[in-house]
Amino acid sequence: QVQLQESGPRVVKPSETLSLTCTVSGGSIGCDYCYWSWVRQTPGKGLEWVGYISASGSGDQNPSLKRRLTISPDTSKNQFSLNLSSVTAADTATYYCARVKWEVLDYWGQGILVTVSS
Amino acid sequence: EIVLTQSPATLSLSPGETATLSCRASQSVSSFLAWYQQKPGQAPRLLIYDASNRATGIPPRFSGSVSGTDFTLTISSIEPEDFAVYYCQHRANWPSLTFGGGTKVEIK
Repeated sequence: QVQLQESGPRVVKPSETLSLTCTVSGGSIGCDYCYWSWVRQTPGKGLEWVGYISASGSGDQNPSLKRRLTISPDTSKNQFSLNLSSVTAADTATYYCARVKWEVLDYWGQGILVTVSS
Repeated sequence: EIVLTQSPATLSLSPGETATLSCRASQSVSSFLAWYQQKPGQAPRLLIYDASNRATGIPPRFSGSVSGTDFTLTISSIEPEDFAVYYCQHRANWPSLTFGGGTKVEIK
């Protein structure tokens, strides 16, 4: 059973960089046809796809975030990470990591609420 | 860009009734649509993929169908644990992923 766990700071100051890590267990991030994704949800709102990456480093990002976003794999640790620069209050959200296989998000982490506040 | 519109925004039902949730695509798309359930304080959970296939462990009261650009999630004889928010998702804009706005199923 694949499990994902998000970790990182829960409070980030405006204009700084939000950095999160997703640790994958029960399976390899190098699995066939797998991508590893970030999805966020602002309080009381719907789901927003942030981006995804494969173990080899190929992937895509939400065009609205692309300028500020980096998603990277770390195959040695079976992890992948998210870095979102120049954050504002609008980036306050619960961030979920998830596995994408055949374009479906089949396994999800529990989510981590990140608040942008001084 | 294809947009997914879910309706209704809120559905009020009593346990035992049937829930019918709609997800409409703004233009013709393939049948690669998924449905997710999200309960308060929890991550979304995959229910249905490829429009009508139940994910592992999902009970048969959940079913999906498609007619043209209209996708439907049906929950037959809804149970108390089924009250949640439901989202549809499609790969139509691949490599981008697209979510619908969600339908909240609440207890009447």
